[in-house]
Amino acid sequence: EAGVAQSPRYKIIEKRQSVAFWCNPISGHATLYWYQQILGQGPKLLIQFQNNGVVDDSQLPKDRFSAERLKGVDSTLKIQPAKLEDSAVYLCASSLGHDRTSGTGHEQFFGPGTRLTVL
Amino acid sequence: DAKTTQPPSMDCAEGRAANLPCNHSTISGNEYVYWYRQIHSQGPQYIIHGLKNNETNEMASLIITEDRKSSTLILPHATLRDTAVYYCIVRVGGGTSYGKLTFGQGTILTVHP
Repeated sequence: EAGVAQSPRYKIIEKRQSVAFWCNPISGHATLYWYQQILGQGPKLLIQFQNNGVVDDSQLPKDRFSAERLKGVDSTLKIQPAKLEDSAVYLCASSLGHDRTSGTGHEQFFGPGTRLTVL
Repeated sequence: DAKTTQPPSMDCAEGRAANLPCNHSTISGNEYVYWYRQIHSQGPQYIIHGLKNNETNEMASLIITEDRKSSTLILPHATLRDTAVYYCIVRVGGGTSYGKLTFGQGTILTVHP
């Protein structure tokens, strides 16, 4: 089974520039997540999609970050304009969805991440 | 979701059992305990989860105390490849949470030869 694919793996930009990241989840996974991981910290959820609808974007800095999941499969995360503090690893994860009773089906599979450096 | 407390770092000798503790004293009845780990330069990897009973899979065992206020992840025979950051996460299993994970700082486990 193919895992979660992300590209690019590394990106270096200057502040105020724009950048986009791409994620292809595991086939059949309805739920897709974008996380931001700053060096030395645990991942922080930015946005969560259920199929092509947004479930949770409460921690997404909407003045500069945007994300979409057209057709409920691939997703892109964009930063425009980038700031120095956006330097981090951006992780994409997917899962089958949620089971209201058993707690199963929630296992999240993570991609390798995109390491963004803003200069 | 309930907050968890983990030691910042632990060491273990290769071939020995690694026991990673986690405190979650404010856990609610419908919250599950999840463990993920993150090897350097990789995304987090699911290990195991449980509600109240002890659980075992091919990777690890999860021991949850009877009052559910703490748990221990056990790697029975640690190898060098088990060196990673281990995250204990408490999360609502059902309802409208839709699988949201809140990661803390985790425990850095270093396995020595």
